Amino acid sequence: DVKVTQSSRYLVKRTGEKVFLECVQDMDHENMFWYRQDPGLGLRLIYFSYDVKMKEKGDIPEGYSVSREKKERFSLILESASTNQTSMYLCASRGFDGNQPQHFGDGTRLSIL
Amino acid sequence: SQQGEEDPQALSIQEGENATMNCSYKTSINNLQWYRQNSGRGLVHLILIRSNEREKHSGRLRVTLDTSKKSSSLLITASRAADTASYFCATRAGGFKTIFGAGTRLFVKA
Repeated sequence: DVKVTQSSRYLVKRTGEKVFLECVQDMDHENMFWYRQDPGLGLRLIYFSYDVKMKEKGDIPEGYSVSREKKERFSLILESASTNQTSMYLCASRGFDGNQPQHFGDGTRLSIL
Repeated sequence: SQQGEEDPQALSIQEGENATMNCSYKTSINNLQWYRQNSGRGLVHLILIRSNEREKHSGRLRVTLDTSKKSSSLLITASRAADTASYFCATRAGGFKTIFGAGTRLFVKA
């Protein structure tokens, strides 16, 4: 089974801090995704990576950056955390074939105080 | 705007009953996927149906796809309390993006 591991289930940070969310997958997937999930809004794509060091902006990239130095690891960075970034963050991976499903981690519930 | 929109937003049924959730989308798609999310957890993939397929089954799950109406339905038969979760449809139209709807919250009463 594919396993996608997010480094923290719960995280509390203060406004202005630089926050790192880590995600690791064990299936050699090319594609990795970061979403945020808010009530009533579903999942919104923040960033996508299709290969090492390659990234594409999603629908809501403002205030975020990403890093993919190794194929199995995709990091989401909040450059200067703000209270409106309090949310559930979900990482997913998928193989090269677009007709494969995405595999999700358990999510990180991030609170910015 | 959301590509996939689920209906109803919430559904409450008794154990043993069938649950039907619907999804509508706006543009042509390559495939449509259904996912399940237990409270506070990540999404788990249930079924993927390609645009040239009309129906797919997996255990107690049945998914239909009507591309002429741009709609899909997920049927869970003989529901159990453990089926209580949120269910999301997601569509892939091409490129890298998969667009998720806001989900249907299903509550199965024991």
